[in-house]
Amino acid sequence: DAGVTQSPTHLIKTRGQQVTLRCSPISGHKSVSWYQQVLGQGPQFIFQYYEKEERGRGNFPDRFSARQFPNYSSELNVNALLLGDSALYLCASSFSRSGTGELFFGEGSRLTVL
Amino acid sequence: AQSVTQLGSHVSVSEGALVLLRCNYSSSVPPYLFWYVQYPNQGLQLLLKYTSAATLVKGINGFEAEFKKSETSFHLTKPSAHMSDAAEYFCAVSETLYGNKLVFGAGTILRVKS
Repeated sequence: DAGVTQSPTHLIKTRGQQVTLRCSPISGHKSVSWYQQVLGQGPQFIFQYYEKEERGRGNFPDRFSARQFPNYSSELNVNALLLGDSALYLCASSFSRSGTGELFFGEGSRLTVL
Repeated sequence: AQSVTQLGSHVSVSEGALVLLRCNYSSSVPPYLFWYVQYPNQGLQLLLKYTSAATLVKGINGFEAEFKKSETSFHLTKPSAHMSDAAEYFCAVSETLYGNKLVFGAGTILRVKS
């Protein structure tokens, strides 16, 4: 079975632009979470979606938004990009919304903002 | 607020030697604790998790961790290091039964010398 897939794998944007990152969860998984991993740091929680509803939001500005589609895939949007948004964006899926469930991570989308 | 501290951003061991990666957490409620591994250019993979069952948790690839409430620690060990263990390791905590928000430590890069 396919794991969590993310696209694009790498992208370069300039300050002020907008970016959309995509994630397809493991088949049967209804929960998708997004994390930002800045170089040299651990991942930071951005959003969790379960059954197409936002179930949690981290300490990120309103420039960050996300949604989940009926097929449980998800998009993360970042507007008005700043240099500090350069990071690896990780998507994780799980079967349940529970915190005890295992998260399965994709390989990430590496965003560089110039 | 929950937090995780990983002592030592870099750890170097010889092949066959004991691996010890340290993790201390802060949580206002009984936590759920996780160790993830990240190989270069890959996503995170779950090594093991503690969810209030046995305090000694065994994971994949010969790793184990012990939950010590009195020390607020969840250190990761492996009796004998292999070259293939070289990677970055992240400790994470989750307080909530409902929701996938993990708070990660900054990570420890493990180097295995031949």
